[in-house]
Amino acid sequence: SAVISQKPSRDICQRGTSLTIQCQVDSQVTMMFWYRQQPGQSLTLIATANQGSEATYESGFVIDKFPISRPNLTFSTLTVSNMSPEDSSIYLCSVGGTGGETSHFGPGTRLTVT
Amino acid sequence: GQNIDQPTEMTATEGAIVQINCTYQTSGFNGLFWYQQHAGEAPTFLSYNVLDGLEEKGRFSSFLSRSKGYSYLLLKELQMKDSASYLCAVRDRRAGANNLFFGTGTRLTVIP
Repeated sequence: SAVISQKPSRDICQRGTSLTIQCQVDSQVTMMFWYRQQPGQSLTLIATANQGSEATYESGFVIDKFPISRPNLTFSTLTVSNMSPEDSSIYLCSVGGTGGETSHFGPGTRLTVT
Repeated sequence: GQNIDQPTEMTATEGAIVQINCTYQTSGFNGLFWYQQHAGEAPTFLSYNVLDGLEEKGRFSSFLSRSKGYSYLLLKELQMKDSASYLCAVRDRRAGANNLFFGTGTRLTVIP
């Protein structure tokens, strides 16, 4: 299975600033996904990051707030822009795709906005 | 859209068997996953079902009925370390993507 790493593992940020989270995979993958897990809740899909095209955002998430890059088949970034305390969450990168391929998660980035 | 339901909390005794149910409604079903998540950690994969029936993997088994939109995760010979949240997730095939949509998770507490 793919090995996924994320940077940073955690950060404390001030309101109004932005943070870019990196996701690196040890093999080429077609699709990468970004999830958010707010305190005490389950995972919510933010967007699907496709190489060579714009990310596809789920309802309630917009590109201006969560811009995503996917420059190649092993790397993606998620930026949390103009942060507020409500953005305090764990942000998880995931890879996986068609058929029986299992979806695996990176270790997550724990973000606290003060 | 997706509608995935599972119990919020369950408690079971060490050494016993527990069944965690999950019901779902989705337009482009392409598999159901169970993940285990310990507090403060990322989810780890437990099982995957895409066809009806039971998949067994050691102490853990997962069952799927596509016609009923129903799955369960069965944990046998419970151990204290099994105390965690168990997440049911459905893969939805839409417009070429294969997104995972999660239920709220079931927090399992194993007691001595």
